[in-house]
Amino acid sequence: AQSVTQPDIHITVSEGASLELRCNYSYGATPYLFWYVQSPGQGLQLLLKYFSGDTLVQGIKGFEAEFKRSQSSFNLRKPSVHWSDAAEYFCAVGAVLNFGNEKLTFGTGTRLTIIP
Amino acid sequence: DVKVTQSSRYLVKRTGEKVFLECVQDMDHENMFWYRQDPGLGLRLIYFSYDVKMKEKGDIPEGYSVSREKKERFSLILESASTNQTSMYLCASGKETQYFGPGTRLLVL
Repeated sequence: AQSVTQPDIHITVSEGASLELRCNYSYGATPYLFWYVQSPGQGLQLLLKYFSGDTLVQGIKGFEAEFKRSQSSFNLRKPSVHWSDAAEYFCAVGAVLNFGNEKLTFGTGTRLTIIP
Repeated sequence: DVKVTQSSRYLVKRTGEKVFLECVQDMDHENMFWYRQDPGLGLRLIYFSYDVKMKEKGDIPEGYSVSREKKERFSLILESASTNQTSMYLCASGKETQYFGPGTRLLVL
């Protein structure tokens, strides 16, 4: 069965600093990988996804993530964070089931705090 | 844009009540999902559906049931609500990529 580990429960960074959120996954085949963001009291918004091809994927709001098969990782990065990036971030891995349908398994999330 | 709506943002119910959470999507997706979200546990899949009248158990189906009578609508039912079902409930739809609704925060007293 697939699994996702987000080792950092809470990260605090200064506005304008760079950011890296870690995600490690376990899955037997080539995974589908996702990053979602959740603002307080809201649903999840898709930031970016990796299905195949270029291992560096660009997302919305200036985020990017790099798929590293050898490390089973899909870390999220942003060169300069803004106060509005404060939120909870979830990494997820998709497993393809029958008929091409997919089940997502989520990590436990990383809460990002931005300080002025 | 994909739109997934949930019938209520906040609900307060009493132990033993029957609770219905409704989810509607407007993108003609075949796949729909119900998750619950608890602090420190992330999102856990309760049930999902690949088509009308089809349902599959997720990782934590106990105490829940679902209904999918129309393609755009997927309902989560708590037959007899209990305090340990106090949680945030998130609906999603989509195939390779899942799109989420705003969530329903349910408090069971």
